[in-house]
Amino acid sequence: GAGVSQSPRYKVAKRGQDVALRCDPISGHVSLFWYQQALGQGPEFLTYFQNEAQLDKSGLPSDRFFAERPEGSVSTLKIQRTQQEDSAVYLCASSRTGLEGNTIYFGEGSWLTVV
Amino acid sequence: GQQLNQSPQSMFIQEGEDVSMNCTSSSIFNTWLWYKQDPGEGPVLLIALYKAGELTSNGRLTAQFGITRKDSFLNISASIPSDVGIYFCAGHGGAQKLVFGQGTRLTINP
Repeated sequence: GAGVSQSPRYKVAKRGQDVALRCDPISGHVSLFWYQQALGQGPEFLTYFQNEAQLDKSGLPSDRFFAERPEGSVSTLKIQRTQQEDSAVYLCASSRTGLEGNTIYFGEGSWLTVV
Repeated sequence: GQQLNQSPQSMFIQEGEDVSMNCTSSSIFNTWLWYKQDPGEGPVLLIALYKAGELTSNGRLTAQFGITRKDSFLNISASIPSDVGIYFCAGHGGAQKLVFGQGTRLTINP
């Protein structure tokens, strides 16, 4: 596709439920990022992939959060046993190489509400 | 986590007015970026700055990379209704991840 595509756009989960959020980066983009954006805040870094390798996961808030990109294209962010504080917009982004100077393109986000 | 200090948090202006917002950091950044986010959308890149002291324009937008590499500003001239939204500064400090400011919410009164 022309841009970064995320699904689902909106997800309501009951507390304790597992959720999976999908990201289709721009075709050919090597680097893929996940960010979490709480209401009224700027995005905060979660994790970063270069092809299929997860090079930085320092932003994942707990071991309930897990991300993968097994074939170096599509990525899935999984949240286990969701809690209310997980409610946020989860933004996926990609760039051609990940180097500074390469534009990072964001998707529209997956809006997660935990009730 | 680490964040940039962005101000003002919100602005209410009349159409046609100029707008100025800025970001400061305690850390040095190699790249400063300015994004705009509309409701229900992801951030869209407006301007990227790569060198200290650099002044870059994109239409009615002008941004500068501070000489100390710890600050940046964004100016919007002659604001129009479609400028409404939330503006974020972001910095690249050498790691792959971006660090974002808290955002400036711009509202324009017709």
